[in-house]
Amino acid sequence: AQSVTQLGSHVSVSEGALVLLRCNYSSSVPPYLFWYVQYPNQGLQLLLKYTTGATLVKGINGFEAEFKKSETSFHLTKPSAHMSDAAEYFCAVRVLGGSNTGKLIFGQGTTLQVKP
Amino acid sequence: DTGVSQNPRHKITKRGQNVTFRCDPISEHNRLYWYRQTLGQGPEFLTYFQNEAQLEKSRLLSDRFSAERPKGSFSTLEIQRTEQGDSAMYLCASSFGGTLVEPQHFGDGTRLSIL
Repeated sequence: AQSVTQLGSHVSVSEGALVLLRCNYSSSVPPYLFWYVQYPNQGLQLLLKYTTGATLVKGINGFEAEFKKSETSFHLTKPSAHMSDAAEYFCAVRVLGGSNTGKLIFGQGTTLQVKP
Repeated sequence: DTGVSQNPRHKITKRGQNVTFRCDPISEHNRLYWYRQTLGQGPEFLTYFQNEAQLEKSRLLSDRFSAERPKGSFSTLEIQRTEQGDSAMYLCASSFGGTLVEPQHFGDGTRLSIL
Protein backbone atom coordinates (compact mmCIF):
# COMPACT_ATOMS: atom_id res chain seq x y z
CA ALA A 1 0.00 0.00 0.00
CA GLN A 2 1.12 3.54 -0.68
CA SER A 3 1.12 6.41 1.80
CA VAL A 4 2.40 9.95 2.21
CA THR A 5 3.61 11.83 5.28
CA GLN A 6 4.12 15.56 5.31
CA LEU A 7 6.34 16.70 8.14
CA GLY A 8 5.15 19.94 9.67
CA SER A 9 1.55 21.03 9.41
CA HIS A 10 2.59 24.70 9.50
CA VAL A 11 5.69 26.35 8.07
CA SER A 12 6.41 30.05 8.45
CA VAL A 13 9.07 31.89 6.45
CA SER A 14 9.95 35.50 5.76
CA GLU A 15 9.45 36.97 2.33
CA GLY A 16 12.55 36.26 0.28
CA ALA A 17 13.62 33.29 2.40
CA LEU A 18 13.99 29.70 1.29
CA VAL A 19 10.87 27.56 1.33
CA LEU A 20 11.24 23.88 2.24
CA LEU A 21 8.18 21.65 2.60
CA ARG A 22 8.87 18.05 3.48
CA CYS A 23 7.21 14.95 2.07
CA ASN A 24 8.03 11.30 2.62
CA TYR A 25 6.28 8.47 0.85
CA SER A 26 5.86 4.75 1.16
CA SER A 27 5.42 2.66 -1.94
CA SER A 28 6.14 -0.92 -2.94
CA VAL A 29 6.49 0.11 -6.57
CA PRO A 30 8.30 3.05 -8.21
CA PRO A 31 6.05 5.94 -7.26
CA TYR A 32 4.42 8.71 -9.23
CA LEU A 33 4.57 11.77 -6.97
CA PHE A 34 2.82 15.13 -7.12
CA TRP A 35 2.71 18.44 -5.31
CA TYR A 36 -0.50 20.46 -5.38
CA VAL A 37 -1.28 23.92 -3.95
CA GLN A 38 -4.66 24.98 -2.61
CA TYR A 39 -5.75 28.55 -2.00
CA PRO A 40 -8.71 29.24 0.31
CA ASN A 41 -12.03 28.01 -1.03
CA GLN A 42 -10.47 26.73 -4.22
CA GLY A 43 -9.55 23.37 -5.67
CA LEU A 44 -6.07 21.96 -6.04
CA GLN A 45 -3.63 23.28 -8.61
CA LEU A 46 -0.78 21.11 -9.82
CA LEU A 47 2.66 22.50 -9.00
CA LEU A 48 4.82 19.68 -10.34
CA LYS A 49 5.04 15.93 -10.81
CA TYR A 50 7.60 13.15 -10.85
CA THR A 51 6.95 9.97 -12.80
CA THR A 52 10.21 8.78 -14.32
CA GLY A 53 13.47 10.28 -15.56
CA ALA A 54 15.19 13.29 -14.05
CA THR A 55 14.87 13.28 -10.28
CA LEU A 56 14.91 17.08 -9.97
CA VAL A 57 11.65 18.40 -11.35
CA LYS A 58 10.72 22.00 -11.88
CA GLY A 59 7.22 23.30 -11.57
CA ILE A 60 5.26 26.48 -11.79
CA ASN A 61 5.87 29.64 -9.76
CA GLY A 62 9.55 28.82 -9.19
CA PHE A 63 8.98 25.64 -7.19
CA GLU A 64 11.00 22.49 -7.64
CA ALA A 65 11.22 19.10 -5.95
CA GLU A 66 13.77 16.34 -5.85
CA PHE A 67 12.89 12.65 -5.82
CA LYS A 68 15.27 10.76 -3.54
CA LYS A 69 14.59 7.05 -3.63
CA SER A 70 17.11 6.21 -0.91
CA GLU A 71 15.39 8.60 1.47
CA THR A 72 11.85 7.96 0.17
CA SER A 73 11.44 11.72 0.00
CA PHE A 74 10.04 14.30 -2.38
CA HIS A 75 10.62 17.64 -0.68
CA LEU A 76 9.36 20.86 -2.26
CA THR A 77 11.58 23.93 -2.38
CA LYS A 78 11.58 27.49 -3.61
CA PRO A 79 14.65 29.72 -3.29
CA SER A 80 12.81 32.91 -2.42
CA ALA A 81 9.33 33.06 -0.91
CA HIS A 82 6.77 35.54 -2.15
CA MET A 83 3.70 36.73 -0.26
CA SER A 84 1.52 35.09 -2.91
CA ASP A 85 2.97 31.68 -1.99
CA ALA A 86 0.95 31.61 1.24
CA ALA A 87 -1.39 28.65 0.81
CA GLU A 88 -1.92 24.98 1.68
CA TYR A 89 0.41 22.51 0.01
CA PHE A 90 -0.31 18.83 -0.52
CA CYS A 91 2.03 16.03 -1.48
CA ALA A 92 0.40 13.03 -3.14
CA VAL A 93 1.33 9.59 -4.47
CA ARG A 94 -0.58 7.95 -7.27
CA VAL A 95 -1.72 4.41 -6.62
CA LEU A 96 -0.29 2.14 -9.28
CA GLY A 97 -1.02 -1.47 -10.03
CA GLY A 98 -4.00 -3.37 -8.76
CA SER A 99 -7.15 -2.08 -10.38
CA ASN A 100 -5.11 0.67 -12.05
CA THR A 101 -7.50 3.43 -11.12
CA GLY A 102 -4.69 5.87 -10.46
CA LYS A 103 -6.34 7.44 -7.44
CA LEU A 104 -4.22 9.82 -5.38
CA ILE A 105 -3.24 9.35 -1.76
CA PHE A 106 -2.63 12.73 -0.14
CA GLY A 107 -0.63 13.85 2.83
CA GLN A 108 -2.23 15.90 5.58
CA GLY A 109 -1.05 19.13 4.03
CA THR A 110 1.31 21.92 5.09
CA THR A 111 0.14 25.48 5.56
CA LEU A 112 2.77 27.93 4.37
CA GLN A 113 2.75 31.35 5.98
CA VAL A 114 4.90 34.10 4.46
CA LYS A 115 5.73 37.04 6.68
CA PRO A 116 6.58 40.45 5.24
CA ASP B 1 -9.63 23.76 -22.19
CA THR B 2 -12.06 25.32 -19.72
CA GLY B 3 -10.98 23.24 -16.75
CA VAL B 4 -13.03 21.05 -14.43
CA SER B 5 -16.30 22.71 -13.45
CA GLN B 6 -18.27 21.90 -10.30
CA ASN B 7 -21.73 23.07 -9.29
CA PRO B 8 -22.91 24.34 -6.97
CA ARG B 9 -19.91 25.92 -5.26
CA HIS B 10 -21.69 25.97 -1.93
CA LYS B 11 -24.64 23.99 -0.59
CA ILE B 12 -26.28 24.50 2.77
CA THR B 13 -28.94 22.03 3.75
CA LYS B 14 -30.69 20.59 6.76
CA ARG B 15 -29.81 17.22 8.18
CA GLY B 16 -31.79 14.46 6.52
CA GLN B 17 -32.16 16.19 3.16
CA ASN B 18 -30.80 14.83 -0.11
CA VAL B 19 -28.22 16.76 -2.11
CA THR B 20 -26.73 16.33 -5.56
CA PHE B 21 -23.50 17.77 -6.93
CA ARG B 22 -22.41 17.97 -10.53
CA CYS B 23 -18.96 17.75 -12.09
CA ASP B 24 -18.11 18.58 -15.70
CA PRO B 25 -14.63 17.26 -16.45
CA ILE B 26 -12.25 18.55 -19.06
CA SER B 27 -13.56 17.34 -22.39
CA GLU B 28 -11.85 14.17 -23.67
CA HIS B 29 -10.78 13.18 -20.16
CA ASN B 30 -11.83 9.60 -19.73
CA ARG B 31 -10.90 9.29 -16.05
CA LEU B 32 -12.99 11.02 -13.38
CA TYR B 33 -12.47 10.99 -9.62
CA TRP B 34 -14.40 12.25 -6.61
CA TYR B 35 -12.63 13.14 -3.38
CA ARG B 36 -13.80 14.48 -0.03
CA GLN B 37 -11.82 16.98 1.99
CA THR B 38 -12.60 17.86 5.59
CA LEU B 39 -11.19 20.89 7.36
CA GLY B 40 -7.45 20.70 7.89
CA GLN B 41 -7.06 17.41 6.06
CA GLY B 42 -5.91 16.24 2.66
CA PRO B 43 -8.47 15.03 0.14
CA GLU B 44 -9.62 11.42 0.48
CA PHE B 45 -10.63 9.28 -2.46
CA LEU B 46 -14.33 8.44 -2.82
CA THR B 47 -14.87 6.91 -6.24
CA TYR B 48 -13.48 6.53 -9.75
CA PHE B 49 -15.03 6.37 -13.22
CA GLN B 50 -13.36 5.29 -16.42
CA ASN B 51 -15.66 6.62 -19.11
CA GLU B 52 -19.13 5.65 -17.87
CA ALA B 53 -18.03 2.69 -15.75
CA GLN B 54 -17.66 3.12 -12.00
CA LEU B 55 -14.63 0.96 -11.31
CA GLU B 56 -13.80 1.67 -7.69
CA LYS B 57 -15.60 2.88 -4.59
CA SER B 58 -13.95 3.71 -1.28
CA ARG B 59 -15.17 2.33 2.02
CA LEU B 60 -15.91 5.99 2.80
CA LEU B 61 -18.72 5.84 0.28
CA SER B 62 -21.57 4.52 2.39
CA ASP B 63 -24.79 3.32 0.82
CA ARG B 64 -26.21 6.82 1.28
CA PHE B 65 -23.82 7.97 -1.44
CA SER B 66 -24.28 7.27 -5.11
CA ALA B 67 -22.38 8.52 -8.13
CA GLU B 68 -23.06 8.31 -11.82
CA ARG B 69 -21.39 9.29 -15.04
CA PRO B 70 -23.90 8.74 -17.82
CA LYS B 71 -22.41 8.58 -21.29
CA GLY B 72 -18.96 9.15 -19.86
CA SER B 73 -19.33 12.91 -19.76
CA PHE B 74 -20.45 14.82 -16.64
CA SER B 75 -20.80 13.11 -13.29
CA THR B 76 -23.15 13.53 -10.35
CA LEU B 77 -22.64 12.67 -6.71
CA GLU B 78 -25.77 12.29 -4.59
CA ILE B 79 -25.94 12.05 -0.82
CA GLN B 80 -29.21 10.84 0.65
CA ARG B 81 -30.36 11.55 4.21
CA THR B 82 -27.46 13.86 4.92
CA GLU B 83 -25.74 13.74 8.30
CA GLN B 84 -23.58 16.26 10.17
CA GLY B 85 -20.50 14.24 9.31
CA ASP B 86 -21.11 14.78 5.61
CA SER B 87 -20.07 18.42 5.94
CA ALA B 88 -16.96 18.73 3.77
CA MET B 89 -15.58 19.97 0.49
CA TYR B 90 -16.32 17.57 -2.36
CA LEU B 91 -13.73 17.72 -5.10
CA CYS B 92 -13.89 16.36 -8.61
CA ALA B 93 -10.82 15.65 -10.73
CA SER B 94 -10.27 14.34 -14.23
CA SER B 95 -7.36 13.05 -16.26
CA PHE B 96 -6.72 11.61 -19.67
CA GLY B 97 -5.25 8.51 -21.05
CA GLY B 98 -4.49 4.88 -20.57
CA THR B 99 -1.36 5.52 -18.58
CA LEU B 100 -1.25 7.25 -15.22
CA VAL B 101 1.48 9.73 -16.14
CA GLU B 102 -1.00 12.48 -16.89
CA PRO B 103 -1.89 14.39 -13.71
CA GLN B 104 -5.35 14.87 -12.32
CA HIS B 105 -6.92 18.29 -12.80
CA PHE B 106 -9.20 19.47 -10.00
CA GLY B 107 -12.30 21.59 -9.93
CA ASP B 108 -12.92 24.25 -7.28
CA GLY B 109 -15.11 21.89 -5.31
CA THR B 110 -18.55 22.00 -3.73
CA ARG B 111 -18.60 22.93 -0.07
CA LEU B 112 -21.42 21.18 1.77
CA SER B 113 -22.64 22.48 5.11
CA ILE B 114 -25.21 20.50 7.09
CA LEU B 115 -27.29 22.49 9.57
